[in-house]
Amino acid sequence: EAGVTQFPSHSVIEKGQTVTLRCDPISGHDNLYWYRRVMGKEIKFLLHFVKESKQDESGMPNNRFLAERTGGTYSTLKVQPAELEDSGVYFCASRAWNNEQFFGPGTRLTVL
Amino acid sequence: LAKTTQPISMDSYEGQEVNITCSHNNIATNDYITWYQQFPSQGPRFIIQGYKTKVTNEVASLFIPADRKSSTLSLPRVSLSDTAVYYCLVGDMGEAAGNKLTFGGGTRVLVKP
Repeated sequence: EAGVTQFPSHSVIEKGQTVTLRCDPISGHDNLYWYRRVMGKEIKFLLHFVKESKQDESGMPNNRFLAERTGGTYSTLKVQPAELEDSGVYFCASRAWNNEQFFGPGTRLTVL
Repeated sequence: LAKTTQPISMDSYEGQEVNITCSHNNIATNDYITWYQQFPSQGPRFIIQGYKTKVTNEVASLFIPADRKSSTLSLPRVSLSDTAVYYCLVGDMGEAAGNKLTFGGGTRVLVKP
């Protein structure tokens, strides 16, 4: 069974540009989460999808971030426009019915 | 969510047992204790979860005293590949709470030959 995959693994963009991160959860996992670690800080929760619905987006830092999960399968996280402080590693995780979250390898975002 | 406190780092040697204690004085009745492991350039990986007493799986054991204000993750006979950051998380794992995870700083474990 394939694990959680994320694309791209690394993205380097300039301030003001737009970047879209993609997460493919484990097939059949209704729950999908986005987290991020910015430089020197702890991993922080961003939002939680149940199927295609946003269950909790309390961790989204501001309206420059937009997450979608059309059809309840893969999810995208768009940052527009990107700022320097958005640099960090963005993790996606998925969960089935129990408490274990399966994390992807992360996307390292560098904003110059 | 309950705040957790754990050592910043620990060193050990191959074949030894590693015990990492996490303090969570404000743990709530509905909170579970979960440990994740993270290797460099990878996402965190679930190790073990418990509510009270002792839980054991093929990877680790989790000891939780009666007052649940702390917990100890025990890794038996570590190898070099167990070098990683270990996170202690405390939170409500119910569906209504969403199961979102709150990470602290973690404990960086270095296993030496």
